[in-house]
Amino acid sequence: DAKTTQPPSMDCAEGRAANLPCNHSTISGNEYVYWYRQIHSQGPQYIIHGLKNNETNEMASLIITEDRKSSTLILPHATLRDTAVYYCIVDTGGGNKLTFGTGTQLKVEL
Amino acid sequence: NAGVMQNPRHLVRRRGQEARLRCSPMKGHSHVYWYRQLPEEGLKFMVYLQKENIIDESGMPKERFSAEFPKEGPSILRIQQVVRGDSAAYFCASSPGQERYEQYFGPGTRLTVT
Repeated sequence: DAKTTQPPSMDCAEGRAANLPCNHSTISGNEYVYWYRQIHSQGPQYIIHGLKNNETNEMASLIITEDRKSSTLILPHATLRDTAVYYCIVDTGGGNKLTFGTGTQLKVEL
Repeated sequence: NAGVMQNPRHLVRRRGQEARLRCSPMKGHSHVYWYRQLPEEGLKFMVYLQKENIIDESGMPKERFSAEFPKEGPSILRIQQVVRGDSAAYFCASSPGQERYEQYFGPGTRLTVT
């Protein structure tokens, strides 16, 4: 699986959009980009995934660059409850094990 | 639709005892994964199972650890002769399979070995 690079931490004001970047320059053509988050001590939570098109669901939007070497997770209106570690993972999606890196610690503040 | 259920949520065992961790996947999910998170560390994959089959156990320690997902009932992660280094949070996840492979995690079992 391709490696990903994320900033270790980010801050965001409540109500503003949180944009979390991820670099995956060695991604293969059949690998998806997945985003998960882990709120303190809880089980990780699936957020969204995509292959090459931008995706949106009730939680977030995923923007993938045309060359697929990077992506951005967007939380449109961050709340205090969005404070968590966010993990960007690339995977073929074929029922494989997920490889969690160190992720980005997002802190949403008043 | 109930989420992934794990029990017990907290388990205390003395060195040398056995620990049994249970995981009930989401309804309709036939794929189960186990991960371990040591204190202050990231999640590490342990094993991937489908009903009655172990698909990938590349993350399982070679000794004392075993997993099963029987035709009926929950998936079980079994740790024999526990040692203090086994103290960790153990998370189970399930996925629907059939070209939908996002994983949904349970709340975890926190194992403490005294």
